[in-house]
Amino acid sequence: DVKVTQSSRYLVKRTGEKVFLECVQDMDHENMFWYRQDPGLGLRLIYFSYDVKMKEKGDIPEGYSVSREKKERFSLILESASTNQTSMYLCASRNTGTGNIQYFGAGTRLSVL
Amino acid sequence: GQNIDQPTEMTATEGAIVQINCTYQTSGFNGLFWYQQHAGEAPTFLSYNVLDGLEEKGRFSSFLSRSKGYSYLLLKELQMKDSASYLCAGVYNTDKLIFGTGTRLQVFP
Repeated sequence: DVKVTQSSRYLVKRTGEKVFLECVQDMDHENMFWYRQDPGLGLRLIYFSYDVKMKEKGDIPEGYSVSREKKERFSLILESASTNQTSMYLCASRNTGTGNIQYFGAGTRLSVL
Repeated sequence: GQNIDQPTEMTATEGAIVQINCTYQTSGFNGLFWYQQHAGEAPTFLSYNVLDGLEEKGRFSSFLSRSKGYSYLLLKELQMKDSASYLCAGVYNTDKLIFGTGTRLQVFP
């Protein structure tokens, strides 16, 4: 089974803090994604990466950056957390040979106070 | 944009059949996913339709009509464990996923 692991289930941070959300996948997938999920808005794509060292902006990249130094790990960085970044963050990975299926982690619920 | 529309909430009774509809914009469309997400858990893959027609997978079936911009997920013999959110997601411009807001299904005894 594909396993996508997000390092924290719950995080509480203060406004202005730098926040790192980590995601690791164990299936040697090339592509990785970060979404946020908010009530009434569904999942929205923040950033994605097609391969190591590569990154592409999604639909809502403002206030975020990412890092992909190793194939299995994709980090989402909030440079200076703000209250409007309180959300559920979901990581996903995909093998280009599996017909677009994205496999998701369980999510990190981030609260910014 | 590529609006994906699905109902916000639905209720059904254990043992019944429920159909969750999803409409989408057809420009740039390549395929449609259904995911299931239990509260506090990861979305899990249910189905992926590229061609018109019905695909059956056990108690779950998914239908696609590309010309009408319409899909549905059919759940038969409902069980309490089917209470979850069901996410419709369209694939656009080769591989970009656009998600609907999800349909929260509650199954009652």
